[in-house]
Amino acid sequence: GAVVSQHPSRVICKSGTSVKIECRSLDFQATTMFWYRQFPKKSLMLMATSNEGSKATYEQGVEKDKFLINHASLTLSTLTVTSAHPEDSSFYICRTSYEQYFGPGTRLTVT
Amino acid sequence: DQQVKQNSPSLSVQEGRISILNCDYTNSMFDYFLWYKKYPAEGPTFLISISSIKDKNEDGRFTVFLNKSAKHLSLHIVPSQPGDSAVYFCAASPSGTYKYIFGTGTRLKVLA
Repeated sequence: GAVVSQHPSRVICKSGTSVKIECRSLDFQATTMFWYRQFPKKSLMLMATSNEGSKATYEQGVEKDKFLINHASLTLSTLTVTSAHPEDSSFYICRTSYEQYFGPGTRLTVT
Repeated sequence: DQQVKQNSPSLSVQEGRISILNCDYTNSMFDYFLWYKKYPAEGPTFLISISSIKDKNEDGRFTVFLNKSAKHLSLHIVPSQPGDSAVYFCAASPSGTYKYIFGTGTRLKVLA
C-alpha cells in the first residue's frame, strides 16, 4: 500500500488565487519531506526541503514567498502556491526522507 | 547546470531483449544513486538503488552498475517486458543529505 499520500490529486484554480497541497506520510513519522515539481516531459526539480518544526530550505531560484511550506507535524507537510499564475501549472510531488517513496503527485492547473 | 544527465531521451527494445539505460553525473559528492520508473500524472516508483561503495546491485530483472571513475551508472532490464514501458529517471544524492537530484529521463518503449 501507499506510504505517502497527497491531496488533492488534481486542482484547477483561477489566476491570483492560492492553492494548498497536502503531503502525508502514512505509518511512519517523517521529520523531513521534499517537494518537487515536474513540467510536462521534463525532469523532476527539487523545490525545497521541509523540516518538521523549522523553516523550509529552498533550492536556488525557488521563491519562498510564493511557495509556502509548512511542516507542522511529523506526518504532514503542506505546500501553498500563493497568487498562482498559469506558469505555476505543473505536477507537484512530495517525498519523505524515509526510504525512497514519493507521493502520487498533484496536478495543478492555473487558468 | 544539469548535474545528472540522461543523454538518450528515448529507447525502443524488443520484448525479451535487454534494455540498457544510461546516466551520467558531474558532482563527485554524490554517493547514492537510484532509478525510478514513472508514468504520466503519477509519482515516481522506486526500482533499485546503489551506494558508491558498490559497483553493482541486482534485484530480479533489474541490475544497476556504477562506474565511479567515469561518473556513470546504468540500469539493465532483462528480459524486457511491455509493462516496462515508461519513463525512467536516474537520481543521485549528495553525501550526508537525503536530497535526490534527478536526471532528465529516458522514455523506454518495449515492443511486443
